[in-house]
Amino acid sequence: QLHLQESGPGLVRPSETLSLTCNVSGGSIISETYYWAWIRQPPGKGLEWIGSISGNTYYNPSVKSRVAMSVDLSKNHFSLKLRSVTAADTAVYFCARHRATRQPEFFDFWGLGTLVTVSA
Amino acid sequence: DIQMTQSPASLSASVGDRVTITCRASQTISSYLNWYQQKPGKAPKLLIYGASNLQSGVPSRFSGSRSGTVFTLTINSLQVEDFATYHCQQSYNSPLTFGGGTKVEIK
Repeated sequence: QLHLQESGPGLVRPSETLSLTCNVSGGSIISETYYWAWIRQPPGKGLEWIGSISGNTYYNPSVKSRVAMSVDLSKNHFSLKLRSVTAADTAVYFCARHRATRQPEFFDFWGLGTLVTVSA
Repeated sequence: DIQMTQSPASLSASVGDRVTITCRASQTISSYLNWYQQKPGKAPKLLIYGASNLQSGVPSRFSGSRSGTVFTLTINSLQVEDFATYHCQQSYNSPLTFGGGTKVEIK
């Protein structure tokens, strides 16, 4: 069974960079069928797709100018960096497996999520 | 971006009730609509994909349907373990977008 787990600082100061890693176990991150995604949920709000990565990256235009995702095949994990954060970036951040190669596209395995608070 | 509007935002129901949650898309999305269940402190779980296809391992009391741009998630005979928040998500266009969620609480 695939297992995903997010890790990273729970507190980031305004204007700094949020960095998270998602460790994938129970399966390889190398896939022709699946991408790897980040999704966030601000307190009391709905879910927002941030972006997905496979060989290429696909970002939500709402964060595209500030975001970078990468994959480390040797460690079987993928990462998120979000620059110049503000309080609006405070959220629970989830990593997920994204079936993106045919419709419908969906997220079929998720991590538990990690709360990141942006505050001085 | 395609807007997904869920209703109601919350509802109270009893064990054994039939519950219906609606998700309306701001434009056509074909049947590219998925439903997720989220419990506090747990990972969201894919329930239904492609508007009406049950994900493997999901109980048959869950079902989904489509009428134009309006999608419905139905839970027949609500069980204790079904009290959770439910989200819809479209994949017709990028960016992928979610509804605001519907919280199902115990009456």
